[in-house]
Amino acid sequence: QSVLTQPPSVSGAPGQRVTISCTGSSSNIGANYDVYWYQQPPGTTPKIVIYANINRPSGVPDRFSGSKSGTSASLAITGLQAEDEADYYCQTYDSSLSGWVFGGGTKLTVL
Amino acid sequence: QVQLVESGGGVVQPGRSLRLSCAASGFTLSDYGMHWVRQAPGKGLEWVAFIAYDGSYTHYLDSVKGRFTISRDNSKSTLHLQMNSLRVEDTAVYYCAKESPEYSYGYDYWGQGTLVTVSS
Repeated sequence: QSVLTQPPSVSGAPGQRVTISCTGSSSNIGANYDVYWYQQPPGTTPKIVIYANINRPSGVPDRFSGSKSGTSASLAITGLQAEDEADYYCQTYDSSLSGWVFGGGTKLTVL
Repeated sequence: QVQLVESGGGVVQPGRSLRLSCAASGFTLSDYGMHWVRQAPGKGLEWVAFIAYDGSYTHYLDSVKGRFTISRDNSKSTLHLQMNSLRVEDTAVYYCAKESPEYSYGYDYWGQGTLVTVSS
């Protein structure tokens, strides 16, 4: 059971918009630590798609966006494409654990 | 180009030890903090350990404290994870990951992973 809670799965049709939530607490997201989002397509290694809550690395489509409010963060993907089908993980630092934590992961299915 | 190549995984009995290595190339290892992250079969990512760029401090997942030791040899561009008193629940693919100051210390590169199976 992770200290960061994500929905196990989300789905959407091509072209649609989906959001993935990441709920933490006052010792992690609420303590103003940066949130990262990683994409892991089946059989591959993770790739960062959002850093410092809202920023996109170069090469990541602007269809991906991040937000953060209070003790929660979200990843939004607009204009869904088949290639977006993957597991998505949020990550941040937790001061009470003195270490980094990942959310449990969300499987995105493009219908 | 940046490469991280893990090695040292395998099948080991509970209570035994294993040492993982991560060979870094394409960048100066001594400039970056490094992490180990694991993924049990069919499960999610789990952060395991961190070491500062110069080895001056480390952090560990609670369940591996006292059993695992992260270390680095910057002169050989290599990161290590010494795993002692292994448990069945340590079974996972272990990845080394490089921090990126450009990405606010998120991970910009991951190795391909090495599988550790703890089984009697």
